Amino acid sequence: AQSVTQLDSQVPVFEEAPVELRCNYSSSVSVYLFWYVQYPNQGLQLLLKYLSGSTLVKGINGFEAEFNKSQTSFHLRKPSVHISDTAEYFCAVTTIGGYNKLIFGAGTRLAVHP
Amino acid sequence: GAVVSQHPSWVICKSGTSVKIECRSLDFQATTMFWYRQFPKQSLMLMATSNEGSKATYEQGVEKDKFLINHASLTLSTLTVTSAHPEDSSFYICSASLGVSTDTQYFGPGTRLTVL
Repeated sequence: AQSVTQLDSQVPVFEEAPVELRCNYSSSVSVYLFWYVQYPNQGLQLLLKYLSGSTLVKGINGFEAEFNKSQTSFHLRKPSVHISDTAEYFCAVTTIGGYNKLIFGAGTRLAVHP
Repeated sequence: GAVVSQHPSWVICKSGTSVKIECRSLDFQATTMFWYRQFPKQSLMLMATSNEGSKATYEQGVEKDKFLINHASLTLSTLTVTSAHPEDSSFYICSASLGVSTDTQYFGPGTRLTVL
């Protein structure tokens, strides 16, 4: 079975500061990895995904993530955050051939302060 | 592209009544749709996976007779909460994909259900 651990439930940061949201996964088989963002009372929006190839993945809104197979991590980063980045961020995995069945982490609340 | 809508966005109902939630893929055909439940300040929990024209596959612990899922066409799936009770109050989110394992899931905006 797969599992996802998001190490920080909340991350406060000042505007224009860099941020890293941590995600570790556990799986006995190869996986695909995703980061989603959820704004209040809305569904989820895909930020980026890792399927194969380059371990550094760039997504929307200036976010990027790096897949580290040896550390089973997929941390999300942004060099300079904006107030509008305040939201809930979810890391998720699915197994290759797993027909898109996503397993989500508990989420990290990013709060950007002026 | 890849827009998924849900209707209604919020609903309040009395205990014992049934509520139907619709999930539509607006600009693509979704071979597979998923239904999730999200409690306040918690993550999404997959309830069931539905493929067009076949019975839904429910996750362990989800009552299939209580949460009826129908995926009658490639653009529409419905979730009916039967005989709803206050503990069914939650945020229900659907997603849709083309069904290929590498494919992205596109999420709807969610439906807030409150059972009084």
